[in-house]
Amino acid sequence: DTAVSQTPKYLVTQMGNDKSIKCEQNLGHDTMYWYKQDSKKFLKIMFSYNNKELIINETVPNRFSPKSPDKAHLNLHINSLELGDSAVYFCASSYQGAGTEAFFGQGTRLTVV
Amino acid sequence: AQSVAQPEDQVNVAEGNPLTVKCTYSVSGNPYLFWYVQYPNRGLQFLLKYITGDNLVKGSYGFEAEFNKSQTSFHLKKPSALVSDSALYFCAVIRGRSASKIIFGSGTRLSIRP
Repeated sequence: DTAVSQTPKYLVTQMGNDKSIKCEQNLGHDTMYWYKQDSKKFLKIMFSYNNKELIINETVPNRFSPKSPDKAHLNLHINSLELGDSAVYFCASSYQGAGTEAFFGQGTRLTVV
Repeated sequence: AQSVAQPEDQVNVAEGNPLTVKCTYSVSGNPYLFWYVQYPNRGLQFLLKYITGDNLVKGSYGFEAEFNKSQTSFHLKKPSALVSDSALYFCAVIRGRSASKIIFGSGTRLSIRP
């Protein structure tokens, strides 16, 4: 069983479109994250949710809107896609608590053309 | 601000030789430090962590890391490298009292030549 699963794995779309990436975890974790990895492999946190509540929003444009219908799901919706949004987006989850490690999905490679 | 630095973009090691991937940290208070590995086209996998206690922590795949408070370092090590260890390695620190924010270093690409 996949612990953290993201869909789709690849996403190619045109500028200006709206798209969503879904994430589900079956680990019973109460904290979920979205990370963006750019072309230089640098990882930056975008959002963090704890028990469906937004904890962190790292100066991400308003075009990005996370939604957590329950603590096992954290979806990412992106409006009006731009070329600079092209990246790999990783979902992750963990238990709450500073000493806990995160489990990552396999990533969604978004290409905006 | 909490941060970690990985001074080397790439580390090249011959198979069978020991390897070290460097990481230094800057945190206020007690650090919670982690190492993750990323294989091509995959997500990150947890390797090991330091929370408290013994400065030498052991993790997956024969890796270990040594927490050095005086040098504010948390270098990743392995006594004998394998070609299959070739991957991208990230050092990370937890920011805040909860696990709500994991800050990653810039990553080090480890290349093991046969």
